[in-house]
Amino acid sequence: GENVEQHPSTLSVQEGDSAVIKCTYSDSASNYFPWYKQELGKRPQLIIDIRSNVGEKKDQRIAVTLNKTAKHFSLHITETQPEDSAVYFCAASEGFKTIFGAGTRLFVKA
Amino acid sequence: NAGVMQNPRHLVRRRGQEARLRCSPMKGHSHVYWYRQLPEEGLKFMVYLQKENIIDESGMPKERFSAEFPKEGPSILRIQQVVRGDSAAYFCASSGGTDNEQFFGPGTRLTVL
Repeated sequence: GENVEQHPSTLSVQEGDSAVIKCTYSDSASNYFPWYKQELGKRPQLIIDIRSNVGEKKDQRIAVTLNKTAKHFSLHITETQPEDSAVYFCAASEGFKTIFGAGTRLFVKA
Repeated sequence: NAGVMQNPRHLVRRRGQEARLRCSPMKGHSHVYWYRQLPEEGLKFMVYLQKENIIDESGMPKERFSAEFPKEGPSILRIQQVVRGDSAAYFCASSGGTDNEQFFGPGTRLTVL
């Protein structure tokens, strides 16, 4: 079945450094790729998304890149801050079907 | 404009009891999704509904679990004869259409004793 692999599962960075999370997907029909941030005990919240007709999208310190040929996409967070510490989920969607990665626990050390 | 609402936020049940989880989508949204999240794990798709219709329930166990989204009122995820393995956070999300952002509710944390 469809699958989304996410790496790394845990990432620890120093405040101010960059963080990169990578995902690969199996369903070539996927055309919408959201990223969610989930703080402990809270709901997942969308932080950025990209559609298959776009290769890169940026929103302040957050950027996402998509390589449809290779079926992988990445989240880049620059100038990390302690409040960026959370679990980040990538997802690949086609129609209503959204498959989530297993998540990356990001620790930003002050 | 209220976001996605879920209740209860916490639910404790003994083995064999029924759990009933409710989800009210955002105003104007007619697409509802239910996900299960085990501790330290990702979100697993369970079921996708539109008003009065189950569109896809491929992620939902065939026994003991059912979902509905009636013409009036919230969507309900029902778990009969709960077992300890049902303990998890259950999130509902809604969207205005497919291929659109899904907005998540705060979740219901089910604990089965």
